[in-house]
Order: sequence, then structure tokens, then C-alpha cells
Amino acid sequence: EAGVAQSPRYKIIEKRQSVAFWCNPISGHATLYWYQQILGQGPKLLIQFQNNGVVDDSQLPKDRFSAERLKGVDSTLKIQPAKLEDSAVYLCASSNPPGLVDYNEQFFGPGTRLTVL
Amino acid sequence: AQTVTQSQPEMSVQEAETVTLSCTYDTSESNYYLFWYKQPPSRQMILVIRQEAYKQQNATENRFSVNFQKAAKSFSLKISDSQLGDTAMYFCAFMNFGNEKLTFGTGTRLTIIP
Repeated sequence: EAGVAQSPRYKIIEKRQSVAFWCNPISGHATLYWYQQILGQGPKLLIQFQNNGVVDDSQLPKDRFSAERLKGVDSTLKIQPAKLEDSAVYLCASSNPPGLVDYNEQFFGPGTRLTVL
Repeated sequence: AQTVTQSQPEMSVQEAETVTLSCTYDTSESNYYLFWYKQPPSRQMILVIRQEAYKQQNATENRFSVNFQKAAKSFSLKISDSQLGDTAMYFCAFMNFGNEKLTFGTGTRLTIIP
């Protein structure tokens, strides 16, 4: 089966510019996650979707970050305006919904490496 | 809030040797899951092994096994007969039962030396 797809793989922007990342989860996975991984740290959850509804966005900086999953499949994460400290790898992951086998295993995409200058 | 601590930023071992990566965590919950994820250089993160806290038996997946000490809140990963393909960042992660949010440690960079 195809894995989690993300694009672009790399992005370089200047501070105060805007940027968007796209994620296509594994087919049938109802749960989708966006993580931020700063160099030298573990991934930190930004937002979790169940189908097209938000389950947890408590760590999303809502003044500049937004995310959507309109049709319950693909998702887009946007940063506007970007700051220097947003430089990181943005990982998308997906999983089966609760109740299904192995629902607690998350499958990760290759990530988008963002550099803010 | 749960925290996960990995005290070994980097480790290296000769090929075919055994290596143990350490992880401790803090939680007030009694039901939860623990994971080890592997992130090879420039490649996707993949699940190595998982442990349910209510199971006393330590999980094993081929050359990978864990030592789960619930009272001590310790969850170490042992890699036996290490191979060059084991070179990667290894992250320990925690998940509360009934909540799919993963909390990761800072990772251990493991290098297998030929």
C-alpha cells in the first residue's frame, strides 16, 4: 500500500512570508496528525484530525498556523507569517481510527524541511 | 502532562554487538502505551516496537526487545546482533490509553560501526 505522501520536501522562505504544506494520508486512515520537529528535538504534535474534525489543536500557534482537512482525506498546514523559529521539519502521520486493529500505530510521511531566513 | 526522557544523545556500537537504549517517562496514568520509533537518515520514521502497560511480558520483535519496568517508569530498547541498517535516530514515545496523542523524547542517535 502507498505510504503517507507529503509535499514539498524542502522549502526556503524569508521571515514574514507565508508557506503551505500538503499531506495525503494512507487510504482509509481516518486520523491525521501534523507534527513539528525542531532540530535536536523529538516531534511535537501540532494538530490531530479525526476525519475532517479537529480532535486536538492545543499546541498549534493559532495566531500564525492554520490547518484544514476539508474532505476528510488530504490536509494542508499553513504558516502566515513565518518566523525564524518556525524552521523545522513538519511531519504528517496517519492511523486507523480508534476501535480498529493497530489504531495506535502512526505511519509517518517523509516530512517537509522548512528553512526560514 | 506526560514527559519522556532519553538521556543518551548519541551512542555507537560495533556491528553484530548488542546495544541498549534508555528511556524513562513520567505519568500518573495506569493504562498507556510505549513505543520505540526509528528515523533513518533522510528517511521516514517507522515503528520498531510497542508495549502495552497492562501487559507484564516484555515485547519482542525479532532482534528488538524491550525491558519494561512499570514501577520504575523505565522502557529500554535492546538491539541484538546490530546491523548497519540499524543506524538511525531512535525515539521513545508515550501514548495514553484512549488518546492517540504521542509524546516523544529527544531521541538517541545510534551509529553502527562496520
